[in-house]
Amino acid sequence: AQSVSQHNHHVILSEAASLELGCNYSYGGTVNLFWYVQYPGQHLQLLLKYFSGDPLVKGIKGFEAEFIKSKFSFNLRKPSVQWSDTAEYFCAVNERGGYQKVTFGTGTKLQVIP
Amino acid sequence: DAGITQSPRHKVTETGTPVTLRCHQTENHRYMYWYRQDPEHGLRLIHYSYGVKDTDKGEVSDGYSVSRSKTEDFLLTLESATSSQTSVYFCAISDPERAGNTIYFGEGSWLTVV
Repeated sequence: AQSVSQHNHHVILSEAASLELGCNYSYGGTVNLFWYVQYPGQHLQLLLKYFSGDPLVKGIKGFEAEFIKSKFSFNLRKPSVQWSDTAEYFCAVNERGGYQKVTFGTGTKLQVIP
Repeated sequence: DAGITQSPRHKVTETGTPVTLRCHQTENHRYMYWYRQDPEHGLRLIHYSYGVKDTDKGEVSDGYSVSRSKTEDFLLTLESATSSQTSVYFCAISDPERAGNTIYFGEGSWLTVV
């Protein structure tokens, strides 16, 4: 069964610091990859996604993620975080074919200190 | 935001009473999901549907049932609510034929069982 690992459960950064959140998955087939953001008290919203092509994808609010197939990774990055980026971030993987199950990671809580 | 409407958005109910949460979509997506999210367990899939009258269990289906009589509506029923079912419930939709099966979430239904 496929799994998604987000090793950082809670990250605290100061404003303007750079961010990198790790995401690794176990599925060996073809996948689609996603990052979602959940602001306090809100629902999960799509931040960015990767289907194919350029492994470096850019999303909303200055976020980007890089797909490294050999490492089964899809890490999320942002060069300079803001207080408004305080939220929980979820990585998700969709295996193509069949039912196309989508598996979510357990989430990383990001706290940005002004 | 995707055209997903959840109702009710907030509900307080008593232990032992039945509760039905409704999810309505205007996107004509084939798949619909019910998740629950809790601080100690994160996001967990309760049930999902891959078409009208086609449903299947997720990882935490005990105590819940679902029905999908129309493409646009997916109902989640708690047959006899318990305090352990106090949670926030998210409906979600996706379609493997569109956008790589990207999952879109509704705004959530906060349920308190007293």
